[in-house]
Amino acid sequence: DIQMTQSPSSLSASVGDRVTITCRASQSISSYLNWYQQKPGKAPNLLIYVASNLQSGVPSRFSGSGSGTDFTLTISSLQPEDFATYYCQQTYSTPYTFGQGTKLQIK
Amino acid sequence: QVQLQESGPGLVKPSETLSLSCIVSGGSISGYYWSWIRQPPGKGLEWIGNVYHSGTTNYNSALKSRLTISVDTSKDQFSLKLTSVTAADTAVYYCARVLEGVGTGSYYYYMDVWGKGTTVIVSS
Repeated sequence: DIQMTQSPSSLSASVGDRVTITCRASQSISSYLNWYQQKPGKAPNLLIYVASNLQSGVPSRFSGSGSGTDFTLTISSLQPEDFATYYCQQTYSTPYTFGQGTKLQIK
Repeated sequence: QVQLQESGPGLVKPSETLSLSCIVSGGSISGYYWSWIRQPPGKGLEWIGNVYHSGTTNYNSALKSRLTISVDTSKDQFSLKLTSVTAADTAVYYCARVLEGVGTGSYYYYMDVWGKGTTVIVSS
């Protein structure tokens, strides 16, 4: 199975900050990497697919990059509604594994 | 707009079978893959498996011996059965639609629509 490791596991930031979350795969996954946002008690919500494609309806302050084994999710200017947990997921091969999550908290 | 709704018992006894269904509304089940994902309390997400509208399945190898995912296109729903459950199977179970695209030499997948989730507790 491909292991996905996110860093950091938690992060404190302020409204307006630029934030970057990293996801590393245990082997090359090409660009087959998705990012999801999850708020407490809610289902995950797709933000980015295939490393850098913004899902329809997702604000443009979210962006993704990377290929191979190293990927990043960037939020250019944090808004109050962005405080949540973020997960990466590889769909290069089954099982489609997720990272352990990054909890973004208000400083 | 496609919506998904999970349903099933919220409490299952150890060693019994967990059965859940996901009803697809606002769109057709045909032409897509459909997934089950679970999240134990306070933990991360685990992909359980996929089913295509034709009935073709992919399972997480960690659960494969206990798992059956099936589809009923006439009812626009798909289902999950997990046998011999233990407390480790306690989780919120989500169903999701999987979109497929063609990448460089292979296919890519992502889950664009999710159900709200249903909590299953395994306890006597």
